[in-house]
Amino acid sequence: AQSVTQLGSHVSVSEGALVLLRCNYSSSVPPYLFWYVQYPNQGLQLLLKYTTGATLVKGINGFEAEFKKSETSFHLTKPSAHMSDAAEYFCAVSDIGSSNTGKLIFGQGTTLQVKP
Amino acid sequence: DAGVTQSPTHLIKTRGQQVTLRCSPKSGHDTVSWYQQALGQGPQFIFQYYEEEERQRGNFPDRFSGHQFPNYSSELNVNALLLGDSALYLCASSRTGYEQYFGPGTRLTVT
Repeated sequence: AQSVTQLGSHVSVSEGALVLLRCNYSSSVPPYLFWYVQYPNQGLQLLLKYTTGATLVKGINGFEAEFKKSETSFHLTKPSAHMSDAAEYFCAVSDIGSSNTGKLIFGQGTTLQVKP
Repeated sequence: DAGVTQSPTHLIKTRGQQVTLRCSPKSGHDTVSWYQQALGQGPQFIFQYYEEEERQRGNFPDRFSGHQFPNYSSELNVNALLLGDSALYLCASSRTGYEQYFGPGTRLTVT
């Protein structure tokens, strides 16, 4: 079965500092991986996705993530945090054999706090 | 272009009652998935509908059922509500082979 582990339920950074949110996955087949962001009282917005091809994936709002098969990781980064980045972030993996319309298996989430 | 819409926004029910939540997918999308997000948790997959049939199902009891209509909109029904069913219910739509887009959710409170 596939699973996702997000290391650190809460991350705090200063405005302008590097953002690093960690995600490790478990999958017996090549995974499809996603990062979603959730603002308070809202649904989930797709930040970026990895399916095949280039392992460094760029998303919206200056975020990017690198797929590292050897480390089973898909960490999310942003060079310079902005106050508007404060939100809940979820890493997800797609179910085996279901491409990217299959069921998504989510991590527990990481709350990003940005201090002025 | 309207995104995924869900109704109602909030709902309060009593234990033992039944509830129906509704979802309209993004234009051009033919697949609808439902997720349950308990407070402080990541979303959990309930089921997915495609061509008016349940295509995949997560680890949820039969009290959770759904339906997809010819216009691709969908309903989630929960019978015999339990306190533990209190959660944010998220609907996501997609086109076959493409990523899922989420609606704003319905906040269900069971008292």
